[in-house]
Amino acid sequence: EIFLTQSPGTLSLSPGERATLSCRASQSFGNYLAWYQQKPGQAPRLLIYDASGRATGIPDRFSGSGSETHFTLTISRLEPEDFAVYYCQQYGTSPLTFGQGTRLEIK
Amino acid sequence: QVQLVESGGGLVKPGGSLRLSCAASGFAFSDHYMSWIRQTPGKGLEWISYISNSGTYTKYAASLKGRFTISRDNSKNSLYLQMDSLRPEDTAVYYCAKGSIAAPIDSWGQGTLVTVSS
Repeated sequence: EIFLTQSPGTLSLSPGERATLSCRASQSFGNYLAWYQQKPGQAPRLLIYDASGRATGIPDRFSGSGSETHFTLTISRLEPEDFAVYYCQQYGTSPLTFGQGTRLEIK
Repeated sequence: QVQLVESGGGLVKPGGSLRLSCAASGFAFSDHYMSWIRQTPGKGLEWISYISNSGTYTKYAASLKGRFTISRDNSKNSLYLQMDSLRPEDTAVYYCAKGSIAAPIDSWGQGTLVTVSS
């Protein structure tokens, strides 16, 4: 099983700032990595797939990068609606696994 | 647009059974692998199972120890999860999801709450 570790656990920033979220894997699985955003009471929403592909309708301030065992989600300039919990997920091997999440909160 | 609507959640006693359903629309259901994923405050997001587009191939999380069964009816655009021998630790919000191995989860249902308690 591939374990995904996200850091930091909580990130406190202000609107307009840049956010960098990390996801580290216990072993390599190709670039089958996704990032999701979840707001309270809602299902997760796909932001990034295949490590760097932006999902349909996702603003270009969201970008993904990385490979092998280290991946990054960057939000270039935070908007008020971006404050949420973010999860990474690998879908390259079974079992599919998720990181524990990074909470992005308003400073 | 893609819609996934779960139903069948509720309160069940330990050792009991429950069957979740998911009605899909807005896409070619029979062309896609589908998954069930659950979420608890303590364990976060946990993949449970996926099923191939034809229903021939299924895969489960090892932690379920054979208690859950995924199935689908492509003629009804529906996905199912039969849950037996339920335990308190199965308490979670259960999501129907489009995507699985080699395909990101690009659509999620709204979730259905399953509570296992005496």
